[in-house]
Amino acid sequence: DIVMTQSPDSLAVSLGERAIINCKSSQNILYSSNNKNYLAWYQQKPGQPPKLLIYWASTRESGIPDRFSGSGSGTDFTLTISGLQAEDVAVYYCHQFYTSWTFGQGTRVEIK
Amino acid sequence: EVQLVESGGGLVQPGGSLKLSCAASGFAFSGSTMHWVRQAAGKGLEWVGRIRNKTNNYATAYAASVKGRFTISRDDSKNTAYLELNSLRSEDTAVYYCSGGPDYWGQGTLVTVSS
Repeated sequence: DIVMTQSPDSLAVSLGERAIINCKSSQNILYSSNNKNYLAWYQQKPGQPPKLLIYWASTRESGIPDRFSGSGSGTDFTLTISGLQAEDVAVYYCHQFYTSWTFGQGTRVEIK
Repeated sequence: EVQLVESGGGLVQPGGSLKLSCAASGFAFSGSTMHWVRQAAGKGLEWVGRIRNKTNNYATAYAASVKGRFTISRDDSKNTAYLELNSLRSEDTAVYYCSGGPDYWGQGTLVTVSS
């Protein structure tokens, strides 16, 4: 199974500042035939299902603010929240859907 | 509008069984691989298993933690996926979500295993 490891487990960021979450997969999740990384990022708030933010590692889902961006390829990926807003307080998960599914352990983002 | 609605959760004793349903609408259900994911209170997301479409012979796969105890099935005529949970343990207590892909998730149904 592919293991997804996020860092840090939690971070506190001042309003308007940048939050960076890293995600590392134990195996390459770039599919060579279509050059796509099978990596998604979710935001989850209490009592709600995960909300898709980013797929194919860097494609923003429709309706997601452009302060959310994803980057990386192969085994190393990053979610960046540029200009943290109060409504961004949540737990964020990376997710590989290259083979079966596995998720990172989650990163809790809070306001400093 | 895409909708996935889970149902069938509840309280069950250890060793008991339960069958969850996931009713889908607003997307090509019959062509989609359907997944089940669970989340224990205060914990992260855990993939439970998936069932592929008819073209892929309805192939199933399961997480090691549930293999042999849980069974996923589907009825394309009803646009519904199912998760049958048997030999339930306290550690199976969680909210169970169905998903039609990274962009399609239901609201979840709570399964509580307790005596």
